Amino acid sequence: AQSVTQPDIHITVSEGASLELRCNYSYGATPYLFWYVQSPGQGLQLLLKYFSGDTLVQGIKGFEAEFKRSQSSFNLRKPSVHWSDAAEYFCAVSGYSTLTFGKGTMLLVSP
Amino acid sequence: KAGVTQTPRYLIKTRGQQVTLSCSPISGHRSVSWYQQTPGQGLQFLFEYFSETQRNKGNFPGRFSGRQFSNSRSEMNVSTLELGDSALYLCASSLGASGTGVLEQYFGPGTRLTVT
Repeated sequence: AQSVTQPDIHITVSEGASLELRCNYSYGATPYLFWYVQSPGQGLQLLLKYFSGDTLVQGIKGFEAEFKRSQSSFNLRKPSVHWSDAAEYFCAVSGYSTLTFGKGTMLLVSP
Repeated sequence: KAGVTQTPRYLIKTRGQQVTLSCSPISGHRSVSWYQQTPGQGLQFLFEYFSETQRNKGNFPGRFSGRQFSNSRSEMNVSTLELGDSALYLCASSLGASGTGVLEQYFGPGTRLTVT
Protein backbone atom coordinates (compact mmCIF):
# COMPACT_ATOMS: atom_id res chain seq x y z
CA ALA A 1 0.00 0.00 0.00
CA GLN A 2 1.21 3.50 -0.74
CA SER A 3 1.82 5.99 2.06
CA VAL A 4 3.24 9.45 2.64
CA THR A 5 5.03 10.79 5.68
CA GLN A 6 5.50 14.47 6.40
CA PRO A 7 7.71 14.48 9.51
CA ASP A 8 7.14 18.11 10.46
CA ILE A 9 3.70 19.12 11.75
CA HIS A 10 4.65 22.78 12.08
CA ILE A 11 7.50 24.85 10.70
CA THR A 12 8.18 28.51 11.38
CA VAL A 13 10.29 30.46 8.91
CA SER A 14 11.23 34.11 8.87
CA GLU A 15 10.01 36.12 5.93
CA GLY A 16 12.71 36.18 3.27
CA ALA A 17 14.38 33.01 4.53
CA SER A 18 14.55 29.79 2.56
CA LEU A 19 12.13 26.93 3.11
CA GLU A 20 12.30 23.16 2.83
CA LEU A 21 9.35 20.91 3.66
CA ARG A 22 10.06 17.22 3.89
CA CYS A 23 8.09 14.40 2.33
CA ASN A 24 8.84 10.70 2.30
CA TYR A 25 6.75 8.23 0.38
CA SER A 26 6.31 4.50 0.21
CA TYR A 27 5.33 2.97 -3.09
CA GLY A 28 6.43 -0.16 -4.90
CA ALA A 29 6.90 1.25 -8.36
CA THR A 30 7.65 4.65 -9.85
CA PRO A 31 5.43 7.06 -7.98
CA TYR A 32 3.58 10.08 -9.20
CA LEU A 33 4.11 12.80 -6.61
CA PHE A 34 2.34 16.02 -5.85
CA TRP A 35 2.47 18.98 -3.53
CA TYR A 36 -0.71 20.84 -2.64
CA VAL A 37 -1.24 23.95 -0.54
CA GLN A 38 -4.31 24.78 1.50
CA SER A 39 -5.11 28.20 2.92
CA PRO A 40 -7.51 28.38 5.89
CA GLY A 41 -11.05 27.47 4.91
CA GLN A 42 -10.07 26.76 1.34
CA GLY A 43 -9.63 23.75 -0.88
CA LEU A 44 -6.32 22.36 -2.04
CA GLN A 45 -4.33 24.05 -4.77
CA LEU A 46 -1.85 22.04 -6.83
CA LEU A 47 1.64 23.51 -6.49
CA LEU A 48 3.63 21.07 -8.58
CA LYS A 49 3.85 17.47 -9.73
CA TYR A 50 6.43 14.86 -10.64
CA PHE A 51 5.64 12.18 -13.19
CA SER A 52 8.99 11.25 -14.74
CA GLY A 53 12.10 12.75 -16.27
CA ASP A 54 13.94 15.64 -14.64
CA THR A 55 13.97 15.06 -10.91
CA LEU A 56 13.81 18.78 -10.12
CA VAL A 57 10.38 20.15 -10.90
CA GLN A 58 9.22 23.73 -10.87
CA GLY A 59 5.82 24.78 -9.69
CA ILE A 60 3.73 27.86 -9.14
CA LYS A 61 4.49 30.67 -6.70
CA GLY A 62 8.24 30.08 -6.94
CA PHE A 63 8.18 26.58 -5.42
CA GLU A 64 10.27 23.66 -6.58
CA ALA A 65 10.66 20.06 -5.46
CA GLU A 66 13.28 17.41 -5.94
CA PHE A 67 12.53 13.72 -6.38
CA LYS A 68 15.17 11.44 -4.86
CA ARG A 69 14.41 7.82 -5.52
CA SER A 70 17.23 6.52 -3.32
CA GLN A 71 15.80 8.38 -0.33
CA SER A 72 12.12 7.95 -1.26
CA SER A 73 11.77 11.67 -0.81
CA PHE A 74 10.09 14.57 -2.58
CA ASN A 75 11.00 17.68 -0.61
CA LEU A 76 9.47 21.05 -1.38
CA ARG A 77 11.68 24.14 -1.44
CA LYS A 78 11.41 27.88 -1.88
CA PRO A 79 14.41 30.22 -1.81
CA SER A 80 12.64 33.17 -0.17
CA VAL A 81 9.40 32.86 1.76
CA HIS A 82 6.71 35.53 1.66
CA TRP A 83 4.13 36.15 4.37
CA SER A 84 1.42 34.99 1.94
CA ASP A 85 3.01 31.53 1.86
CA ALA A 86 1.68 30.82 5.35
CA ALA A 87 -0.63 27.84 4.85
CA GLU A 88 -0.77 24.08 5.20
CA TYR A 89 1.17 22.00 2.69
CA PHE A 90 0.32 18.46 1.69
CA CYS A 91 2.45 15.93 -0.12
CA ALA A 92 0.61 13.20 -2.02
CA VAL A 93 1.45 10.05 -3.94
CA SER A 94 -0.51 8.38 -6.71
CA GLY A 95 0.19 5.14 -8.43
CA TYR A 96 -2.64 3.52 -10.35
CA SER A 97 -4.98 4.27 -7.52
CA THR A 98 -6.33 7.30 -5.75
CA LEU A 99 -4.21 9.95 -4.16
CA THR A 100 -2.80 9.24 -0.72
CA PHE A 101 -1.96 12.33 1.30
CA GLY A 102 0.43 13.02 4.11
CA LYS A 103 -0.83 14.60 7.32
CA GLY A 104 0.37 18.01 6.20
CA THR A 105 2.88 20.59 7.42
CA MET A 106 1.66 23.92 8.71
CA LEU A 107 3.96 26.73 7.63
CA LEU A 108 4.09 29.81 9.83
CA VAL A 109 5.92 32.89 8.57
CA SER A 110 7.34 35.30 11.11
CA PRO A 111 8.07 38.94 10.28
CA LYS B 1 -12.07 27.62 -17.53
CA ALA B 2 -14.06 27.49 -14.31
CA GLY B 3 -12.70 25.40 -11.48
CA VAL B 4 -14.38 22.78 -9.38
CA THR B 5 -17.45 24.12 -7.61
CA GLN B 6 -19.09 22.74 -4.52
CA THR B 7 -22.42 23.60 -2.97
CA PRO B 8 -23.30 24.47 -0.37
CA ARG B 9 -20.16 25.90 1.19
CA TYR B 10 -21.45 25.58 4.75
CA LEU B 11 -24.03 23.34 6.36
CA ILE B 12 -25.26 22.82 9.89
CA LYS B 13 -27.22 19.66 10.57
CA THR B 14 -28.49 17.78 13.58
CA ARG B 15 -27.55 14.25 14.54
CA GLY B 16 -29.73 11.69 12.78
CA GLN B 17 -30.46 13.88 9.78
CA GLN B 18 -29.14 13.28 6.31
CA VAL B 19 -27.28 15.61 4.00
CA THR B 20 -26.51 15.86 0.29
CA LEU B 21 -23.46 17.68 -1.04
CA SER B 22 -22.94 18.64 -4.66
CA CYS B 23 -19.86 18.93 -6.84
CA SER B 24 -19.45 20.21 -10.40
CA PRO B 25 -16.11 19.23 -11.95
CA ILE B 26 -13.97 21.22 -14.32
CA SER B 27 -15.46 21.17 -17.80
CA GLY B 28 -14.22 18.09 -19.65
CA HIS B 29 -13.20 16.22 -16.52
CA ARG B 30 -14.99 12.93 -16.15
CA SER B 31 -13.62 11.71 -12.83
CA VAL B 32 -14.78 13.00 -9.47
CA SER B 33 -13.35 11.98 -6.13
CA TRP B 34 -14.53 12.88 -2.64
CA TYR B 35 -12.42 13.32 0.47
CA GLN B 36 -13.18 13.98 4.10
CA GLN B 37 -10.81 16.26 5.96
CA THR B 38 -10.70 16.45 9.75
CA PRO B 39 -8.02 17.76 12.12
CA GLY B 40 -7.49 14.32 13.63
CA GLN B 41 -7.56 12.07 10.58
CA GLY B 42 -6.38 14.43 7.87
CA LEU B 43 -7.48 13.83 4.30
CA GLN B 44 -9.28 10.55 3.82
CA PHE B 45 -10.53 9.21 0.53
CA LEU B 46 -14.26 8.51 0.35
CA PHE B 47 -14.95 7.40 -3.21
CA GLU B 48 -14.22 7.98 -6.87
CA TYR B 49 -16.64 8.12 -9.77
CA PHE B 50 -15.93 7.94 -13.46
CA SER B 51 -18.57 7.87 -16.17
CA GLU B 52 -21.32 7.41 -13.59
CA THR B 53 -19.62 4.34 -12.10
CA GLN B 54 -18.00 4.07 -8.72
CA ARG B 55 -14.44 2.93 -9.31
CA ASN B 56 -12.99 3.04 -5.81
CA LYS B 57 -14.30 3.35 -2.31
CA GLY B 58 -12.52 4.25 0.87
CA ASN B 59 -12.98 2.75 4.30
CA PHE B 60 -16.17 4.51 5.34
CA PRO B 61 -19.47 3.08 6.56
CA GLY B 62 -22.38 2.55 4.23
CA ARG B 63 -24.00 5.75 5.51
CA PHE B 64 -21.72 7.51 3.06
CA SER B 65 -22.80 7.14 -0.53
CA GLY B 66 -22.42 8.98 -3.78
CA ARG B 67 -23.39 9.10 -7.37
CA GLN B 68 -22.38 10.73 -10.61
CA PHE B 69 -24.61 12.04 -13.32
CA SER B 70 -24.18 11.92 -17.09
CA ASN B 71 -22.83 15.48 -17.09
CA SER B 72 -20.11 14.36 -14.62
CA ARG B 73 -21.61 16.31 -11.74
CA SER B 74 -21.52 14.34 -8.54
CA GLU B 75 -23.36 14.23 -5.25
CA MET B 76 -22.50 12.59 -2.00
CA ASN B 77 -24.99 11.71 0.67
CA VAL B 78 -24.51 11.03 4.35
CA SER B 79 -27.43 9.49 6.17
CA THR B 80 -28.04 9.29 9.91
CA LEU B 81 -25.48 11.95 10.68
CA GLU B 82 -23.18 11.54 13.66
CA LEU B 83 -21.17 14.18 15.50
CA GLY B 84 -17.99 12.65 14.07
CA ASP B 85 -19.14 13.43 10.54
CA SER B 86 -18.36 17.09 11.12
CA ALA B 87 -15.63 17.82 8.60
CA LEU B 88 -14.62 19.62 5.46
CA TYR B 89 -15.75 17.58 2.48
CA LEU B 90 -13.62 18.11 -0.58
CA CYS B 91 -14.39 17.20 -4.14
CA ALA B 92 -11.67 16.80 -6.75
CA SER B 93 -11.92 16.31 -10.48
CA SER B 94 -9.51 14.86 -13.01
CA LEU B 95 -9.52 14.10 -16.70
CA GLY B 96 -9.16 10.35 -16.39
CA ALA B 97 -9.91 7.75 -13.80
CA SER B 98 -7.53 5.96 -11.50
CA GLY B 99 -5.87 3.01 -13.18
CA THR B 100 -5.67 4.78 -16.53
CA GLY B 101 -2.66 6.92 -15.85
CA VAL B 102 -1.56 9.72 -13.60
CA LEU B 103 -4.29 10.94 -11.32
CA GLU B 104 -3.83 14.71 -11.35
CA GLN B 105 -6.67 16.08 -9.30
CA TYR B 106 -8.01 19.60 -8.93
CA PHE B 107 -9.92 20.44 -5.80
CA GLY B 108 -12.96 22.52 -5.04
CA PRO B 109 -13.25 24.85 -2.03
CA GLY B 110 -15.05 22.24 0.03
CA THR B 111 -18.26 22.05 2.02
CA ARG B 112 -17.92 22.63 5.75
CA LEU B 113 -20.41 20.33 7.49
CA THR B 114 -21.13 20.81 11.17
CA VAL B 115 -23.23 18.23 12.96
CA THR B 116 -24.76 19.29 16.28
